[in-house]
Amino acid sequence: DTAVSQTPKYLVTQMGNDKSIKCEQNLGHDTMYWYKQDSKKFLKIMFSYNNKELIINETVPNRFSPKSPDKAHLNLHINSLELGDSAVYFCASSKEAGRYGYTFGSGTRLTVV
Amino acid sequence: QQQVKQSPQSLIVQKGGISIINCAYENTAFDYFPWYQQFPGKGPALLIAIRPDVSEKKEGRFTISFNKSAKQFSLHIMDSQPGDSATYFCAASHYYNAGNMLTFGGGTRLMVKP
Repeated sequence: DTAVSQTPKYLVTQMGNDKSIKCEQNLGHDTMYWYKQDSKKFLKIMFSYNNKELIINETVPNRFSPKSPDKAHLNLHINSLELGDSAVYFCASSKEAGRYGYTFGSGTRLTVV
Repeated sequence: QQQVKQSPQSLIVQKGGISIINCAYENTAFDYFPWYQQFPGKGPALLIAIRPDVSEKKEGRFTISFNKSAKQFSLHIMDSQPGDSATYFCAASHYYNAGNMLTFGGGTRLMVKP
């Protein structure tokens, strides 16, 4: 199936832990993104990579670090998790740097306890 | 500062009725206006999109109306069905730092009653 796939789908962890979320797209897109959806469903961009280069880095704590090993992958590593990091994290990808909208993954629900 | 404002936050419509969701934006650099549909436990999926050089776009039961001078656009869902029950997001995109950044409205939770 052609898609944007994220793993894991659910992640429950304790405060202070470090965790990673992986994202892969097989659509041949050139740009990938991480969005955070809070409890009120608001979607906010965190990062964007175009051809493995960081092009958008919104106001996000330094504890969040994206890594793009190649054009098809964009992983998100989070250090020292806090209760406020609980949210659904969506990976997305686009062609032509987002000119025609994005394709989203199905999300990773992160719960910090 | 919310660059794309969406209303209403929630909407209940009878089956067969028309659902209307409105959005307003401030940034005149926006040049692409998509609508996304999100079902519980799923990611947002592109529904329909418009560029500012046209005032209306229709795809099946879904129509976007766009008013450039008022900086407003809306989604109309004709003959609304229970299967349309979902959260709808308007969005706006502009070129930013070597890419096109998509900014979302706050979402509208639509419930279509049978």
